[in-house]
Amino acid sequence: DADVTQTPRNRITKTGKRIMLECSQTKGHDRMYWYRQDPGLGLRLIYYSFDVKDINKGEISDGYSVSRQAQAKFSLSLESAIPNQTALYFCATSRTTLNEQFFGPGTRLTVL
Amino acid sequence: GEDVEQSLFLSVREGDSSVINCTYTDSSSTYLYWYKQEPGAGLQLLTYIFSNMDMKQDQRLTVLLNKKDKHLSLRIADTQTGDSAIYFCAEFRDNYGQNFVFGPGTRLSVLP
Repeated sequence: DADVTQTPRNRITKTGKRIMLECSQTKGHDRMYWYRQDPGLGLRLIYYSFDVKDINKGEISDGYSVSRQAQAKFSLSLESAIPNQTALYFCATSRTTLNEQFFGPGTRLTVL
Repeated sequence: GEDVEQSLFLSVREGDSSVINCTYTDSSSTYLYWYKQEPGAGLQLLTYIFSNMDMKQDQRLTVLLNKKDKHLSLRIADTQTGDSAIYFCAEFRDNYGQNFVFGPGTRLSVLP
């Protein structure tokens, strides 16, 4: 069974809609991250959380919000989706920052 | 912010060696990482090197670090078709919220 799961795996939505992407982990890690991947740009950090009460903005947080409902769950919301938010979104976890990050399988989001 | 740079594409013949290069920007980076992304999957850690090392070898993988030039390379010996993937270089930055910064990824194509 996958240690880091993401739902949905694919989503097509329209401009202006509210979208939530969910991430769950069974690794018992405190640290969780949301990235987006765009061709030729690599992964860019959207938000990260070092524990349930700790939420931090990453490089490209504008237009996104997050919620850390529990140690195991970290959700990403797009309050009003726009086409340039079309991308592949990855959730990741780590025990500490210097340790390996474990990635989910990704959510492919298309905003029309 | 300052970028981690990689060439975007590399093609090699099966059985040859592949060398994927990366330049990073933060001279205080503690760890440098190589991740592999296979089609339709998340990233998986291949190997990492601590900044006080010059070289690390792990089976077919050799990582070379030149701190003076801020240059990192990944050599894959006897490249196989299963090595076809996108390879990401990443650095850990203490001054970036203690987080990772990823390069754009190098797509390695292994030709028969």
